[in-house]
Amino acid sequence: GENVEQHPSTLSVQEGDSAVIKCTYSDSASNYFPWYKQELGKRPQLIIDIRSNVGEKKDQRIAVTLNKTAKHFSLHITETQPEDSAVYFCAASPNNAGNMLTFGGGTRLMVKP
Amino acid sequence: GAVVSQHPSRVICKSGTSVKIECRSLDFQATTMFWYRQFPKQSLMLMATSNEGSKATYEQGVEKDKFLINHASLTLSTLTVTSAHPEDSSFYICSARHQETQYFGPGTRLLVL
Repeated sequence: GENVEQHPSTLSVQEGDSAVIKCTYSDSASNYFPWYKQELGKRPQLIIDIRSNVGEKKDQRIAVTLNKTAKHFSLHITETQPEDSAVYFCAASPNNAGNMLTFGGGTRLMVKP
Repeated sequence: GAVVSQHPSRVICKSGTSVKIECRSLDFQATTMFWYRQFPKQSLMLMATSNEGSKATYEQGVEKDKFLINHASLTLSTLTVTSAHPEDSSFYICSARHQETQYFGPGTRLLVL
């Protein structure tokens, strides 16, 4: 089955700096890669996703890149703000989101004001 | 749109009792829902895929007789933890698929005494 590795497990940045979180996956059949933000005790919220037919997607301060050959994808947050502090999970799925998501281990992002 | 609710949000029960958790898609129909389990400071682990009108598909290592799943309608899936034990204490989250995206419920925190 699919295996998703996520690094780093914790990340501390100064407000205004950029944050990068990286994930690798093992199943070449995976073609849908969402990123979720989870605040303490709350539900995961989809913040951005990318499908295998594109290499990069951007939404305001958030961007995701995908390298299918190397089987890795990354989340980039620019101009970080304290409210960006949360746990971020990457995930991978074959056949878009029709099938189950395999999650990475999560990254606890702390943005210091 | 695409709102998923869960009930109850938290439950405390005695060891040996059964607990039912409901997952509802409020503004869309979901033929497929997913049940996850999340331990403190850990990632989401898929337990089973719930399919409307058919048997659920359980992940390896998840006991189907202990975690009963019923998906009787296009807007409701239930997870029943039977004969609960303290080690079943966890955060249980469901998700539902809508237009190629998975949306998560707010989660249910179960504490078994």
